[in-house]
Amino acid sequence: AQKITQTQPGMFVQEKEAVTLDCTYDTSDQSYGLFWYKQPSSGEMIFLIYQGSYDEQNATEGRYSLNFQKARKSANLVISASQLGDSAMYFCAMRGSLQGGSEKLVFGKGTKLTVNP
Amino acid sequence: EAGVVQSPRYKIIEKKQPVAFWCNPISGHNTLYWYRQNLGQGPELLIRYENEEAVDDSQLPKDRFSAERLKGVDSTLKIQPAELGDSAVYLCASSLELGAYEQYFGPGTRLTVT
Repeated sequence: AQKITQTQPGMFVQEKEAVTLDCTYDTSDQSYGLFWYKQPSSGEMIFLIYQGSYDEQNATEGRYSLNFQKARKSANLVISASQLGDSAMYFCAMRGSLQGGSEKLVFGKGTKLTVNP
Repeated sequence: EAGVVQSPRYKIIEKKQPVAFWCNPISGHNTLYWYRQNLGQGPELLIRYENEEAVDDSQLPKDRFSAERLKGVDSTLKIQPAELGDSAVYLCASSLELGAYEQYFGPGTRLTVT
């Protein structure tokens, strides 16, 4: 079974500063994927970034980067140069091996990020 | 390209009443998911479809929940009868195919059972 843990219920950051949102995971699969989604108050889940377990380089997408530390089973999201529009809930999720049949997304409880002007 | 469409956006019903949610995935997406998101939690998968076939419904409370995806496009999720604990946001998502890592979510239906 897979499990995602997000230990920060809420985080605050000043506009234009960087912020790190923590995520640790647990799985017995050798092959898996890690995701981050943003959920603004409108409710829609917006895909941000993906990291495969065999990817050697950390994933980056614009201002988002994923700090993947496989040995520690952590997949922290780093948002650089925070903007007011980044204020939202952020969810870490993982998907297990397709061959193992655990391809559904398992989500953490989320972190509420507030960007202050 | 249109995103995942869900309706209604909000629904308030009394307990024991039936309710239905509708989802239209992104055109060409073969895989469709229904998730339930309780307050303060991440989404949890209820059911996954590959075209018309429900391939993972292990988390669907089958005594009161049902779902269908006729013709492999639109999908409907039904609850009958609704209970107070069913109050949640019901999210629909779609992906191009099994194994495609990006799931596109709709805006969700917020259900309140009184």
